[in-house]
Amino acid sequence: KNEVEQSPQNLTAQEGEFITINCSYSVGISALHWLQQHPGGGIVSLFMLSSGKKKHGRLIATINIQEKHSSLHITASHPRDSAVYICAVSHTGNQFYFGTGTSLTVIP
Amino acid sequence: NAGVMQNPRHLVRRRGQEARLRCSPMKGHSHVYWYRQLPEEGLKFMVYLQKENIIDESGMPKERFSAEFPKEGPSILRIQQVVRGDSAAYFCASSLGGTVYNEQFFGPGTRLTVL
Repeated sequence: KNEVEQSPQNLTAQEGEFITINCSYSVGISALHWLQQHPGGGIVSLFMLSSGKKKHGRLIATINIQEKHSSLHITASHPRDSAVYICAVSHTGNQFYFGTGTSLTVIP
Repeated sequence: NAGVMQNPRHLVRRRGQEARLRCSPMKGHSHVYWYRQLPEEGLKFMVYLQKENIIDESGMPKERFSAEFPKEGPSILRIQQVVRGDSAAYFCASSLGGTVYNEQFFGPGTRLTVL
């Protein structure tokens, strides 16, 4: 069993839809990260959070430490949001555990 | 301020050859991490280095793989006697500090293909 589980694995949405990607983890963490990987392969860090909620533009990330769960929301989705979204947790030390990613396709 | 740089972006090797992957961290960053992404799989931690020191190599295969981050120059991930199973994307990331609260910035990756 992976330390980090994401759902759904694949997601197709119409432009403008509200999107939610979920992440559950089984280890104690110091911080949780949401990453975005574009088709070209580059990885961008979207959020790092250890409690509560963060917002950046149309992206919102929340975390519930007690339930070991985080969600990434995209409001008013756009085709340029199409990418793989990866949840990662920092455990002890500096090691990250990664989810396998959610592949999002937003159709115009 | 340039981001994390990796080269080469694509590397093709035949079985048994050596692969050298380079990572130049962001300016001012002294912490480097290497990750591997196998085809159709998620990212996996390999090694964490600071200048001249390996801090955590728990994710490195026991044989053929080594990493260094010298006082001067880029961090190097070295794979000796490559096999087809080494074909993957190798990403490095750098951070300003060494705690888990420091954001990591990723490079564009090196895609290694072993023929």
